[in-house]
Amino acid sequence: QVQLVESGGGVVQPGRSLRLSCGASGFTFSDYAMHWVRQAPGKGLEWVAVISHDGSRKYYTDSVKGRFTISRDNSKNTLFLQMNSLRTDDTAVYFCAKDPRIAVAVAAGFFDYWGQGTLVTVSS
Amino acid sequence: DIQMTQSPSTLSASVGDRVTITCRASQSIRNWLAWYQQKPGKAPKLLIQKASTLESGVPSRFSGSGSGTEFTLTISSLQPDDFATYYCQQYNDYSRLTFGGGTKVEIK
Repeated sequence: QVQLVESGGGVVQPGRSLRLSCGASGFTFSDYAMHWVRQAPGKGLEWVAVISHDGSRKYYTDSVKGRFTISRDNSKNTLFLQMNSLRTDDTAVYFCAKDPRIAVAVAAGFFDYWGQGTLVTVSS
Repeated sequence: DIQMTQSPSTLSASVGDRVTITCRASQSIRNWLAWYQQKPGKAPKLLIQKASTLESGVPSRFSGSGSGTEFTLTISSLQPDDFATYYCQQYNDYSRLTFGGGTKVEIK
């Protein structure tokens, strides 16, 4: 069965950095695009970034461009989100999510499996 | 970016009721729309993709319809397990994905 397990969240001061990881199992990780989606406390869902199955293409929502970097290590079945210059409005639960499109184009653009999320709190 | 507007934001209903949630896109997204269910403290769960295709294992009381800019999620007979928040999400462009604001279905 598909499993996605996020880690790396915590409390960080504004302007600092944090790196999230998402370990994947139960499917051929290197065949699928992967996403990060976040949810601020008590708020709705916001898509953050997508990376193609081979890591060659990456796209971001405007509010994180230039600050966040999505990457993956297909040899270790792991997805990453490097978050720099963190702001208080980046406070959220961060979910990694699998795209259902297999190794064709970049992504379908929706999410068939999700991790349980990891909480990032940006506060002084 | 394409804006997704859900209504209502909160819905009070009883077990057995027929429930309809509406999602409107700021421009045509053809049928590139997904619906998710989220319970408190949990990850969202995919219910429907391509506006009307039910995911495997999702009860048949859930259905989706619409195309272009207007979409609906219908629960034909609300069950206790269905009290949750529902989100629509457009994927007309995989590099600029957006969600609706959510609809919380509460017990009346």
